[in-house]
Amino acid sequence: DAGVIQSPRHEVTEMGQEVTLRCKPISGHDYLFWYRQTMMRGLELLIYFNNNVPIDDSGMPEDRFSAKMPNASFSTLKIQPSEPRDSAVYFCASSSRRHTQYFGPGTRLTVL
Amino acid sequence: AQSVTQLGSHVSVSEGALVLLRCNYSSSVPPYLFWYVQYPNQGLQLLLKYTSAATLVKGINGFEAEFKKSETSFHLTKPSAHMSDAAEYFCAVSHSGGSNYKLTFGKGTLLTVNP
Repeated sequence: DAGVIQSPRHEVTEMGQEVTLRCKPISGHDYLFWYRQTMMRGLELLIYFNNNVPIDDSGMPEDRFSAKMPNASFSTLKIQPSEPRDSAVYFCASSSRRHTQYFGPGTRLTVL
Repeated sequence: AQSVTQLGSHVSVSEGALVLLRCNYSSSVPPYLFWYVQYPNQGLQLLLKYTSAATLVKGINGFEAEFKKSETSFHLTKPSAHMSDAAEYFCAVSHSGGSNYKLTFGKGTLLTVNP
């Protein structure tokens, strides 16, 4: 199994630009989670999906952030417009009903 | 609501010494508990998990953790530290019932292993 795949691994952009992060969960997993990790705030859950439907987006910081899951094998997290305080490592994780979440390698986002 | 407290943001041990990383949880229902490890510039990797079976859980790389309900603790141990154990370790909790599969993570403990 290839595990959770995220792209890009690194993204450097300028303030005001749109950023799209991508995730492919493990085949057969019906839960998908987006996290953000920073030194100041640690690991924060942004949003999670079950069977492609958003269940809890209470962690999404503001309207500039949006996430979609058009099918069982693909999800995106979009930031528009991006700001320097969005700089962080963004992780995607997936799981089945067994609770264990499997994490991708992360996307390191730098907004200048 | 559920929460996790990891005591000590940084733990330093000598190679060959005992590793003890502390985790206390708060949960209104029987919890599922997890330890994850994060090596530099990598994602989180599952070390072990407790899901209401045996209270002593063995994981990968020689780590184990014991669930103590009376102390609301799930401390991670390894008898003899290796240089390759240097990483950040996260304790996490989720609900055992219903369909709530959210994980709540602690702030993490950075483990340094000295030669």
